[in-house]
Amino acid sequence: NAGVTQTPKFRVLKTGQSMTLLCAQDMNHEYMYWYRQDPGMGLRLIHYSVGEGTTAKGEVPDGYNVSRLKKQNFLLGLESAAPSQTSVYFCASSYRGTGRTGANVLTFGAGSRLTVL
Amino acid sequence: AQTVTQSQPEMSVQEAETVTLSCTYDTSESDYYLFWYKQPPSRQMILVIRQEAYKQQNATENRFSVNFQKAAKSFSLKISDSQLGDAAMYFCAYRASGTASKLTFGTGTRLQVTL
Repeated sequence: NAGVTQTPKFRVLKTGQSMTLLCAQDMNHEYMYWYRQDPGMGLRLIHYSVGEGTTAKGEVPDGYNVSRLKKQNFLLGLESAAPSQTSVYFCASSYRGTGRTGANVLTFGAGSRLTVL
Repeated sequence: AQTVTQSQPEMSVQEAETVTLSCTYDTSESDYYLFWYKQPPSRQMILVIRQEAYKQQNATENRFSVNFQKAAKSFSLKISDSQLGDAAMYFCAYRASGTASKLTFGTGTRLQVTL
């Protein structure tokens, strides 16, 4: 059982380049999230999805786009990377609702370190 | 908006001793969940313990326990019999109950465990 898998784990970009981070989960979770982690700031929510075909903005969405074409995948895109997007990115997923075992508990991927020069 | 505050950027504890990490939060919701996550150098986020706000009893998981004070909006983590493997970054997090409730994190406390 792989849980939440993020690819790639590391990436170096030049300013203005584009890239996509892929998140895949095999737990049949309805909800999926993208967070970024910066020193001294904890984790901040970028975008999230409550189901296939739906996405919504989080706390820091500017400069990012997302798509959830399949329930198990959640893609985070940077169209024109900027040095301010240098960060560690985490994907997470969870069940919907409160009645199911594990509901309201997020399972995280291992993180993706992105450096923008 | 909900906020989570961890006022201790760094803490240190000797092996086998007990340490308490502080967390306060601000919310107008009545139904919510609180969590402590551990992030070791591997970067993986690991759930340590969770607390449902409607439960008065404090959650416990082996050497980890919480002191949940709902009226004071305080949620501290106590680690007993500290071990070298407990050294990590610890994040307190809040999640409101309901549809698409998102996790709001504190800024973290780095715990060092010394011999």
